[in-house]
Amino acid sequence: DARVTQTPRDKVTEMGQEVTMRCQPILGHNTVFWYRQTMMQGLELLAYFRNRAPLDDSGMPKDRFSAEMPDATLATLKIQPSEPRDSAVYFCASGLVRPPGQGYGYTFGSGTRLTVV
Amino acid sequence: KQEVTQIPAALSVPEGENLVLNCSFTDSAIYNLQWFRQDPGKGLTSLLLIQSSQREQTSGRLNASLDKSSGRSTLYIAASQPGDSATYLCAVRLNFGNEKLTFGTGTRLTIIP
Repeated sequence: DARVTQTPRDKVTEMGQEVTMRCQPILGHNTVFWYRQTMMQGLELLAYFRNRAPLDDSGMPKDRFSAEMPDATLATLKIQPSEPRDSAVYFCASGLVRPPGQGYGYTFGSGTRLTVV
Repeated sequence: KQEVTQIPAALSVPEGENLVLNCSFTDSAIYNLQWFRQDPGKGLTSLLLIQSSQREQTSGRLNASLDKSSGRSTLYIAASQPGDSATYLCAVRLNFGNEKLTFGTGTRLTIIP
């Protein structure tokens, strides 16, 4: 089965350090998403890309977060500097846009569990 | 602003029982609704996707229904098994041009052997 691969699986870092999370979407999928999951807020969309171009990053704190797709096989989410409140599980998901009415499901990766101490 | 609610937050039932999980949303003008399953420490697995024009979708022992006008969806699980224990999340998408999914807070389901 095709899968979305995220690395690292777990990351513990000190406050103020830079953190980079990586995602390999499913080959052929043209839409990539970054979600964050916390106990308090649940799952929230941070940003998403279509054909590597950012379409919506309104859910992302702009001062410290950045998301990019250097190529079609790699998406990155970077936090600089990291803060304890960034501790969460970060999920990447990918999907393939189809014509209206056909819809599509998303495939999620296993997530990166980030702990900032 | 779309809000998605799932009640109850947790549910325990004996193995073999049929059960229903509920999802409600405040803005009925949705594009589609999706049910996911999340196992502890794992990602989300898509179970069923219902387009706004559909009333229900079925996959094996799972049946999801959608009533847009009332802002509700249900996930029916027949003949529950211990392997069904997980957190179930529903998510709505507003329109074709907006990929954002708004998730509910989930129902943690435990099937008692």
